[in-house]
Amino acid sequence: EPEVTQTPSHQVTQMGQEVILRCVPISNHLYFYWYRQILGQKVEFLVSFYNNEISEKSEIFDDQFSVERPDGSNFTLKIRSTKLEDSAMYFCASSDQIDRSSYEQYFGPGTRLTVT
Amino acid sequence: QKEVEQNSGPLSVPEGAIASLNCTYSDRGSQSFFWYRQYSGKSPELIMSIYSNGDKEDGRFTAQLNKASQYVSLLIRDSQPSDSATYLCAVVGDDMRFGAGTRLTVKP
Repeated sequence: EPEVTQTPSHQVTQMGQEVILRCVPISNHLYFYWYRQILGQKVEFLVSFYNNEISEKSEIFDDQFSVERPDGSNFTLKIRSTKLEDSAMYFCASSDQIDRSSYEQYFGPGTRLTVT
Repeated sequence: QKEVEQNSGPLSVPEGAIASLNCTYSDRGSQSFFWYRQYSGKSPELIMSIYSNGDKEDGRFTAQLNKASQYVSLLIRDSQPSDSATYLCAVVGDDMRFGAGTRLTVKP
């Protein structure tokens, strides 16, 4: 069964460093998303991406964050200058629905980001 | 602020019983509603979606939606110990917002 994959599974970085989190969405899916979950807290929407551009973003997704689909398979989240509070699990998700209101999202296993 | 509220639990039920999980949301423009299951340390796993008022059944799971009351629920029949997890309600308006989740424990 097709699944979303993410690499690395765990990333440790120093405060102020740039990190890139990578995702390979399900191959025929059209919408891509990033979420984060701080330990013990709720899953929070960061950004959605469709047709090679951002379609929605939350207030969390500030200028420190960017997303890119550099080729036909990868979808990346870049954090330019990490802060301690960026430590969280980052989930990538994808959806195959043209009609965004009915889309079912499938999540990858996540990347645990630890900022020291 | 668009909120999705769930009782955090823990909700404990004996094996074979019905587990009832509830969720309310504040955005009347919400269009789609989902239940995800999350095991500790794992990613959310989609188990049910519902888009119109009423009930939707899939195996042991039944989702119920009442848009007038801004309420969505999940019933799990014949609960199994393997159902022990945190259940996340997710609501789609402009974006997808999750509740904090209800931790369910099914005791053998």
